[in-house]
Amino acid sequence: AQSVSQHNHHVILSEAASLELGCNYSYGGTVNLFWYVQYPGQHLQLLLKYFSGDPLVKGIKGFEAEFIKSKFSFNLRKPSVQWSDTAEYFCAVNAYGNNRLAFGKGNQVVVIP
Amino acid sequence: NAGVTQTPKFRVLKTGQSMTLLCAQDMNHEYMYWYRQDPGMGLRLIHYSVGEGTTAKGEVPDGYNVSRLKKQNFLLGLESAAPSQTSVYFCASSYVGRTGETNEKLFFGSGTQLSVL
Repeated sequence: AQSVSQHNHHVILSEAASLELGCNYSYGGTVNLFWYVQYPGQHLQLLLKYFSGDPLVKGIKGFEAEFIKSKFSFNLRKPSVQWSDTAEYFCAVNAYGNNRLAFGKGNQVVVIP
Repeated sequence: NAGVTQTPKFRVLKTGQSMTLLCAQDMNHEYMYWYRQDPGMGLRLIHYSVGEGTTAKGEVPDGYNVSRLKKQNFLLGLESAAPSQTSVYFCASSYVGRTGETNEKLFFGSGTQLSVL
């Protein structure tokens, strides 16, 4: 079964700082990779996803993530965060053809104005 | 277009009580899921359904039952609530995308905050 690890569960940074959230998964086969975001008081929504092709994927609101197969990683980045990026970020993985999505424990990100 | 609707939004139960959480989606999605979200634990899959009349166990199914009698509805039942079931419950649905994958994008409901005393 696939599992997902996210590090640095709580991140506090100032506006305009750069953000990088790590995500590692454990599954040897083909995987689909996702980042979901949950803004305060809201439900989860898709930030970006990787299925195949260019390992550098761009999502909404200036976020991007890079799939590095050799490292089993799918790290999320944003060059310059804004206060409105305060949210919880979840990495998720599912094995190709599997109906079940496995989520990481999340990163709580707080951006200070 | 309502998307995924969960009812109720909040509920407080006493230990041993039963209740049903309702999830409804109006997007004609085949796949529906129930997750629970706990601090520091992320989202854990309770049960899921790949179509009307079918259900399957997820990661943490104990203490819960589900039913998918109609395609648009996915019910989560707690027969005898326990304090360990205090959590935020999220329902989600998805479709088979162009790539043939079912998890191209999950659509989430707004959640149900359940407290069991």
